[in-house]
Amino acid sequence: NAGVTQTPKFRVLKTGQSMTLLCAQDMNHEYMYWYRQDPGMGLRLIHYSVGEGTTAKGEVPDGYNVSRLKKQNFLLGLESAAPSQTSVYFCASTEWSPSTDTQYFGPGTRLTVL
Amino acid sequence: LAKTTQPISMDSYEGQEVNITCSHNNIATNDYITWYQQFPSQGPRFIIQGYKTKVTNEVASLFIPADRKSSTLSLPRVSLSDTAVYYCLVGYSGGGADGLTFGKGTHLIIQP
Repeated sequence: NAGVTQTPKFRVLKTGQSMTLLCAQDMNHEYMYWYRQDPGMGLRLIHYSVGEGTTAKGEVPDGYNVSRLKKQNFLLGLESAAPSQTSVYFCASTEWSPSTDTQYFGPGTRLTVL
Repeated sequence: LAKTTQPISMDSYEGQEVNITCSHNNIATNDYITWYQQFPSQGPRFIIQGYKTKVTNEVASLFIPADRKSSTLSLPRVSLSDTAVYYCLVGYSGGGADGLTFGKGTHLIIQP
């Protein structure tokens, strides 16, 4: 049981390049999330999904797109990277119920945009 | 959207009990109170969650007064390895992501 995994762990892009970050979970969770964390800051929600085929915007969605074609995977895309998107990206998943609401986080992807 | 206020940093010593308080004045009826721990270069890790009164697990206790406008995370007998950032999260993800807002957290530093 690997939990939540993220690919890649590190990436350097040039301004204008595109890339996709992959998040995978093996806990059969319905809800998945993408956050970004800038130095010295808390996590900010980019996009989330409440089930296969669904996505929704979070607090800072501009410049990102997401897809949830399979329940276990949640992809985060940057179509045209900008230096302001330099950050650490975390994926999380949760199986919400009326008695519990716990997120499980991946190890993060450190992205640098030059 | 319930917002939280926590101290930016705290210091303590090994073997001491540490209490970190979080204020959440506009907590909603459905909201849970959840605490996460984050080490450098790692994702946050769940510590404890509660709705009211007191919750205890093998690593921490969570105290929530009757009005639920604040909560206190209690770490008994801390060690150097408890040095981390602690986030208080107030919200309810059922049906979406309402309330999933992490503040800047409390940077806890444990000294020998």
